[in-house]
Amino acid sequence: GAVVSQHPSWVICKSGTSVKIECRSLDFQATTMFWYRQFPKQSLMLMATSNEGSKATYEQGVEKDKFLINHASLTLSTLTVTSAHPEDSSFYICSARSPQGKPEAFFGQGTRLTVV
Amino acid sequence: QKEVEQDPGPLSVPEGAIVSLNCTYSNSAFQYFMWYRQYSRKGPELLMYTYSSGNKEDGRFTAQVDKSSKYISLFIRDSQPSDSATYLCAMSVYAGANNLFFGTGTRLTVIP
Repeated sequence: GAVVSQHPSWVICKSGTSVKIECRSLDFQATTMFWYRQFPKQSLMLMATSNEGSKATYEQGVEKDKFLINHASLTLSTLTVTSAHPEDSSFYICSARSPQGKPEAFFGQGTRLTVV
Repeated sequence: QKEVEQDPGPLSVPEGAIVSLNCTYSNSAFQYFMWYRQYSRKGPELLMYTYSSGNKEDGRFTAQVDKSSKYISLFIRDSQPSDSATYLCAMSVYAGANNLFFGTGTRLTVIP
């Protein structure tokens, strides 16, 4: 299957600072990538859809000014958590749909963000 | 009502048991069905993908889809401790649909 790489796998930051998470499709081009948030023992919550060369589409209730998404190339999308607060601590996961129009999604390894 | 319902468990079984994991859904337009396995602190990995109704087998894993009942299942035969993980079902209407609808995930523990 296609490979999606996410970096870093974990990060600890101070409250008020910003953190950038990268998501790369390694062996295919992804015009669309997705960013999820996952709380302990809960399912994936879609935050936003990242579109190459255009603005991201955010789900209801997700602050676009807090969670900045940039999809500058066909293989890279970034999520920046700005002015992070402890309540932003969570597991963030990106995914990209399979090439060739198949419905499967391939996920990155996830990033554990802890804001202290 | 959620689009996809999945019993969160937890589910504990002895090694070697047959495991049955299930999801129900409300949108009859769903045609593509997937099962993902997620180990703790890792991203989900695709296990099985099926289209429309029917069965699909891959090693110890069998996926079943019953569209008339809006019910899908994942069976794991001869379960192993390494199968201990959270299993998420996911589905979509179109192959090229942007978003997948996920279940909450079922946490499975296989006891040696």
